[in-house]
Amino acid sequence: DQQVKQNSPSLSVQEGRISILNCDYTNSMFDYFLWYKKYPAEGPTFLISISSIKDKNEDGRFTVFLNKSAKHLSLHIVPSQPGDSAVYFCAAPGNQFYFGTGTSLTVIP
Amino acid sequence: NAGVTQTPKFRVLKTGQSMTLLCAQDMNHEYMYWYRQDPGMGLRLIHYSVGEGTTAKGEVPDGYNVSRLKKQNFLLGLESAAPSQTSVYFCASSPTGYGHEQYFGPGTRLTVT
Repeated sequence: DQQVKQNSPSLSVQEGRISILNCDYTNSMFDYFLWYKKYPAEGPTFLISISSIKDKNEDGRFTVFLNKSAKHLSLHIVPSQPGDSAVYFCAAPGNQFYFGTGTSLTVIP
Repeated sequence: NAGVTQTPKFRVLKTGQSMTLLCAQDMNHEYMYWYRQDPGMGLRLIHYSVGEGTTAKGEVPDGYNVSRLKKQNFLLGLESAAPSQTSVYFCASSPTGYGHEQYFGPGTRLTVT
């Protein structure tokens, strides 16, 4: 049973435009969410997080939005750069750590 | 400060062979984790440890064993490898289990023929 879902396996965006990556979750007890970025042949690295007491968290070009009623979060990257091309995972800690299946972002120069 | 390291980086096994994957971290983290990543499946937790001498099962523990004899090391063992265990294995560590991001190693690509 996938408790954290990323329904878009891939996304292509032009350089300079906005990238929006989506994530849905099923467990209403989750109250903290993280986004990780993964380049090929490397381990995932932490990107940004959000607590359920907030609905938005910004860090430079990266903003995560949380909609608790919809059990949905999204990662916005503005402006997108070619170096952002990677696989992005959302994750939530519960009694263990749950990861989504990932979205592969390609930023086209 | 090397962070999280994994040994080996690549390995090919025949069905039925055994092997141990080694994870080491130099950040004095209490929690350590083993994941596998398969296409379309994301990262799935195999086993984890909340401190030296402890281990617990994750989402997909069958066919694997782990040990955490020293705080800095977390070993993942495959006693009798099967083709279904062909995957990329990632080790991670975190200061505590909740509210902290995990720090990942570079991965081990294992092929079982």
